[in-house]
Amino acid sequence: DQQVKQNSPSLSVQEGRISILNCDYTNSMFDYFLWYKKYPAEGPTFLISISSIKDKNEDGRFTVFLNKSAKHLSLHIVPSQPGDSAVYFCAARNYGQNFVFGPGTRLSVLP
Amino acid sequence: SQTIHQWPATLVQPVGSPLSLECTVEGTSNPNLYWYRQAAGRGLQLLFYSVGIGQISSEVPQNLSASRPQDRQFILSSKKLLLSDSGFYLCAWSSQPTEQYFGPGTRLTVT
Repeated sequence: DQQVKQNSPSLSVQEGRISILNCDYTNSMFDYFLWYKKYPAEGPTFLISISSIKDKNEDGRFTVFLNKSAKHLSLHIVPSQPGDSAVYFCAARNYGQNFVFGPGTRLSVLP
Repeated sequence: SQTIHQWPATLVQPVGSPLSLECTVEGTSNPNLYWYRQAAGRGLQLLFYSVGIGQISSEVPQNLSASRPQDRQFILSSKKLLLSDSGFYLCAWSSQPTEQYFGPGTRLTVT
């Protein structure tokens, strides 16, 4: 039973345009959501997070939106750059101590 | 600043051999520690997490085990490796729910 879903395994976007990565979850007890970026053969790097009491958090080119009623969050990257090409993981923290990760979406930013 | 180390970076082991992967964290005290596995083409699967010395929670039953002999040391072990144990193993730490920091990972190939 996958509690965090990223239904798009891959996404291609033109450089300079917006990248939108989506994530859905099933557990209403999740209280924190995080996005990670991962290059091959490296550990994931934290990008941005959002508390369940907020609906938007912005950090530079990265914005995360949370829709609690729909149990959906999205990561917007504007403008997209070739260096953004990586696998992006959505993660959720339950009210305990551990994190649940989605399967990831591979983003390709085309020059 | 905090750093997290994992070794070895790559490992090739025959089926049935033992395994020991080590993770250490510097620059923080009493972190929560995690072991994840990323199988080929899949997301991050939480294997174990620890909130303190000697305290280990297992998320997935398998032939792996974890130990935390010191505050900032986390070890992943197996007595007899299976082919299905191949994957990319990641150690991570956190001290607050907003972020989780990953090590560089260990690529394990069981032959």
